Parts: sequence; C-alpha cells; structure tokens
Amino acid sequence: RKEVEQDPGPFNVPEGATVAFNCTYSNSASQSFFWYRQDCRKEPKLLMSVYSSGNEDGRFTAQLNRASQYISLLIRDSKLSDSATYLCVVRGGRSGGSNYKLTFGKGTLLTVNP
Amino acid sequence: DAGVIQSPRHEVTEMGQEVTLRCKPISGHNSLFWYRQTMMRGLELLIYFNNNVPIDDSGMPEDRFSAKMPNASFSTLKIQPSEPRDSAVYFCASSLQTGAFFGQGTRLTVV
Repeated sequence: RKEVEQDPGPFNVPEGATVAFNCTYSNSASQSFFWYRQDCRKEPKLLMSVYSSGNEDGRFTAQLNRASQYISLLIRDSKLSDSATYLCVVRGGRSGGSNYKLTFGKGTLLTVNP
Repeated sequence: DAGVIQSPRHEVTEMGQEVTLRCKPISGHNSLFWYRQTMMRGLELLIYFNNNVPIDDSGMPEDRFSAKMPNASFSTLKIQPSEPRDSAVYFCASSLQTGAFFGQGTRLTVV
C-alpha cells in the first residue's frame, strides 16, 4: 500500500461546483496532515493544515478521520482560480527520525471551467 | 521574509557532468527537505535534514546523488555523474514543526 494515496483524477467541474478530494495514508503513527496546491510549473504551496476536529478556511473545509486514516478537502463555490493540482501531505511516523518526514500524495488535478 | 531560495532556476548539462543544486532555507527553520518531481513519479522525497543532520536519505536514488548541509542556512544536492534520467524539477523545502515551504525549484535537463 502506498504511504499516501489520492484520487487520481483529473476533475473537471463548472464554476460554482462543489469538489471533494479524498486521501488515505498507511502509517497510523502519522502526526500532522496538510493540503497543498500546485499550479502548473510552480512550486507546491501550503493551502491548509488539517486538524482532528476539522477546520474551515473560507470556501475550503478539511477533515481528518484518524480511525480510517482518511483525509478530505472540500471546495465550495469553485472559482476558475482554484484550477490546480491538490496534494495530500502527511508528516511523521513511528521512529524518532521519521517524525520530520513529509510524504506527498501524487496529487489530483482540478480544472474549473467557465 | 525572502522564502526558500534555490539556485540555479534552470540547468542544462551534458551527461556525465557534475551538477550542484543549492538551497537557502527560511531563517529559523530546522528541517530541510530535497524533493524531485517528474510527471511519472510525482514528488519524491530524496533526503531530509533536521538541525543540519541528515535523518533519512533512503530516497536518494543512487550513489551518484549526495547532499550536504554544512550549516543552518545552506544545503547542496550534488549529482555526479549526471544522466538523462536525472532530468526533473528539484525542490528544496524547509519547515519548523508544521508544513513545509518550498523554493521555486531547479529545472534540470541532462542531455
């Protein structure tokens, strides 16, 4: 099983749609979770952290289910500018050294159409 | 804050040549990561440092790859000798406890 697995996509949605991204991770000792976005030919940028209680930032909602080792990102009222690749990221592991390790999923490409 | 600074932004080199990529992390960050990104394999973690000490280099593909972090403000990734299959975008990222911040990357082409 891959360490971090995401929907392969791609997703093509009209403006205003709601989009959901799903992610699972294999290491139950993982400690921190994030969503990044990456625009074409640019570096990945931190979008938001994911907390156990769930968290929201404007149109973006992130949720974590530790029991199922599952992370999600919901984008409401999608905009053209939301078009990008969305990457699920997991940090930490069992042994001391791997507490720092950041592992990325392969990403899901989103295209929002006018 | 200037962010993570990588150089060069682009590098074209001939097979067999040595390539050195450079990274200046964000001041105060204690973890530094080197990633490689290709269309086929996505973002792969090559090596990461904590407090200038290499913690895990299991992602380094071969002995041709080496990385150093002589101090808290500088790291290098060296490929010697380079091969065409090393062509990729190489990212450096730094963090302090939470998510990491990336440099703009070095686009390496080995011909």
